[in-house]
Amino acid sequence: SYVLTQPPSVSVAPGQTARITCGGNNIGSKSVHWYQQRPGQAPVLVVNDDSDRPSGIPERFSGSNSDNTATLTISRVEAEDEADYYCQVWDSYSDHYVFGTGTKVTVL
Amino acid sequence: QVQLQESGPGLVKPSQTLSLTCTVSGASISRGSFYWSWIRQPAGKGLEWIGRIYTSGSTNYNPSLKSRVTISVDTSKNQFSLKLKSVTAADTAVYYCARDSRDYQYYYMDVWGKGTTVTVSS
Repeated sequence: SYVLTQPPSVSVAPGQTARITCGGNNIGSKSVHWYQQRPGQAPVLVVNDDSDRPSGIPERFSGSNSDNTATLTISRVEAEDEADYYCQVWDSYSDHYVFGTGTKVTVL
Repeated sequence: QVQLQESGPGLVKPSQTLSLTCTVSGASISRGSFYWSWIRQPAGKGLEWIGRIYTSGSTNYNPSLKSRVTISVDTSKNQFSLKLKSVTAADTAVYYCARDSRDYQYYYMDVWGKGTTVTVSS
């Protein structure tokens, strides 16, 4: 089964840049989606298809994907960005979605 | 705008079947090229995809749950449903329903319900 590995936590000061990685075997050949989940709330899509931003998502959120690592970058971090973030891909080999292990972003 | 709402029992006994329904409002479940998914999240843990259904009835399931899961759709009620049989305490979680959309080849979940908590306990 395909595995997506994320760092458990990332800490960042307000106004700085947070980078959240998502590691997977040849993930660069897949399409990666990212979700933000604030405490007690449902997940929200923040980036789809590696680097597209849904309507209503701030430009501070961006994504990239190459080789064995996909990255979600949050620029000019704000307190409201404190949340858990999950990457997701479709595993074509067994036809199912796979979520990453999740990263908790803490704004210092 | 499209909204999803999960409903069903909050408490299920071990070995019984968990049944949940997701009601879609603001759009017809049978229109457009969408899949409809179920996802769950045990307390303090990550997201686990359970399965999805297309309006034609075509389904995909998580291999780890496939033997116990059935997802169905009722277009007349604008709903889709989840049944998980032979539940244990490990199935205790918040269960979400979501809509799967796509811009290109691959789907992503662009609309989520608020989630419903299901506890498996005698």
